[in-house]
Amino acid sequence: GAGVSQTPSNKVTEKGKYVELRCDPISGHTALYWYRQSLGQGPEFLIYFQGTGAADDSGLPNDRFFAVRPEGSVSTLKIQRTERGDSAVYLCASSSLAGGSRNTDTQYFGPGTRLTVL
Amino acid sequence: QKEVEQNSGPLSVPEGAIASLNCTYSDRGSQSFFWYRQYSGKSPELIMSIYSNGDKEDGRFTAQLNKASQYVSLLIRDSQPSDSATYLCAVNGGTYKYIFGTGTRLKVLA
Repeated sequence: GAGVSQTPSNKVTEKGKYVELRCDPISGHTALYWYRQSLGQGPEFLIYFQGTGAADDSGLPNDRFFAVRPEGSVSTLKIQRTERGDSAVYLCASSSLAGGSRNTDTQYFGPGTRLTVL
Repeated sequence: QKEVEQNSGPLSVPEGAIASLNCTYSDRGSQSFFWYRQYSGKSPELIMSIYSNGDKEDGRFTAQLNKASQYVSLLIRDSQPSDSATYLCAVNGGTYKYIFGTGTRLKVLA
């Protein structure tokens, strides 16, 4: 497909469990972002990858959250010991850094994964 | 003070009218500005980007940027019921971190 894809679309888990959320960016996009969106709020930045490395993980709320992008394409967001407060829609976005200028970088979002922690 | 502020709405306008959505930001160093549309249960979709002071038009949409006053707005002409959605303002300060507002919910009444 041409867009960003995310799996699963919905995930229901119990408090304390481990979850993995997957993002497949637009082909050729080197930049990948994870956001979290709670009801009635805008997307909240979590982490940004440039290639395989996490260039900015300042938005990760605590050490229960971790993300990887081992081959510079697909990324996995991992949440350990889930808590009810982790319930939200997790959005992935990618960009090509067109023109090489971060100031004109345009992000394209995937459909999101709705995580519910019971 | 939130970094990016929007009135949550709902903003209700009749079909065919102009809808005016506003956003203010706190970081004077912000360099690029985006408007996203988000339908209920869907992901954000880019509508407009603007980088320089003034107006930028694309079809029925016009983005306006005033860096001195630190605000950016989106005008939607000839509003249609299909424009009913939440409109998110996003600001980039020259890093790769985008800061989003909470969004304004727009309702276009048929």
